[in-house]
Amino acid sequence: GAVVSQHPSWVICKSGTSVKIECRSLDFQATTMFWYRQFPKQSLMLMATSNEGSKATYEQGVEKDKFLINHASLTLSTLTVTSAHPEDSSFYICSAVKGGPGTGELFFGEGSRLTVL
Amino acid sequence: AQKVTQAQTEISVVEKEDVTLDCVYETRDTTYYLFWYKQPPSGELVFLIRRNSFDEQNEISGRYSWNFQKSTSSFNFTITASQVVDSAVYFCALSERRTGGYNKLIFGAGTRLAVHP
Repeated sequence: GAVVSQHPSWVICKSGTSVKIECRSLDFQATTMFWYRQFPKQSLMLMATSNEGSKATYEQGVEKDKFLINHASLTLSTLTVTSAHPEDSSFYICSAVKGGPGTGELFFGEGSRLTVL
Repeated sequence: AQKVTQAQTEISVVEKEDVTLDCVYETRDTTYYLFWYKQPPSGELVFLIRRNSFDEQNEISGRYSWNFQKSTSSFNFTITASQVVDSAVYFCALSERRTGGYNKLIFGAGTRLAVHP
């Protein structure tokens, strides 16, 4: 199967700093990637759809200035949590679509655990 | 609106017992996909199955089986002869063409399964 890798796997940062999380499709090109957020013992909530070469589409209630998404190439999407606060501590998971946007296969990264002190 | 309900928050069984995880979904689309994922304590999502709305055949894969019934909007998952390694959180998810393509998943709340020796 295809491989999607996230980096870093876990990160601890101080309140007020910005943190960048990378999502890479290692063996395929992905025009579309998705970013999810998961609080402890809760479900995955879709944050945004990342489209290569265009602006991300954010779900209702997600602050686009807080969570900056850049899909600069066909194999890389980045999520930057700006001015992080303790309430941003969460597990962030990306997924990438291999194939067409409608019926392509979906592959998830391993997740990135963010802890903001 | 699209919605996935997993009413069972936690299930605890003894090894070798059979266990069924329930999933009920809501959608206005006639074409959609349903998924099951396993999330072990390490956090990564493990894909188990994808089923499209036109295929109501039940599926069996080893100790796993799935019962898809459109009449009741349910897609239940059964583990036969459960093992300790089955302990994880299991998510049911839905994607529709209408709301962004088949790769934009809406997850249920998850069911935490604990299998005891």
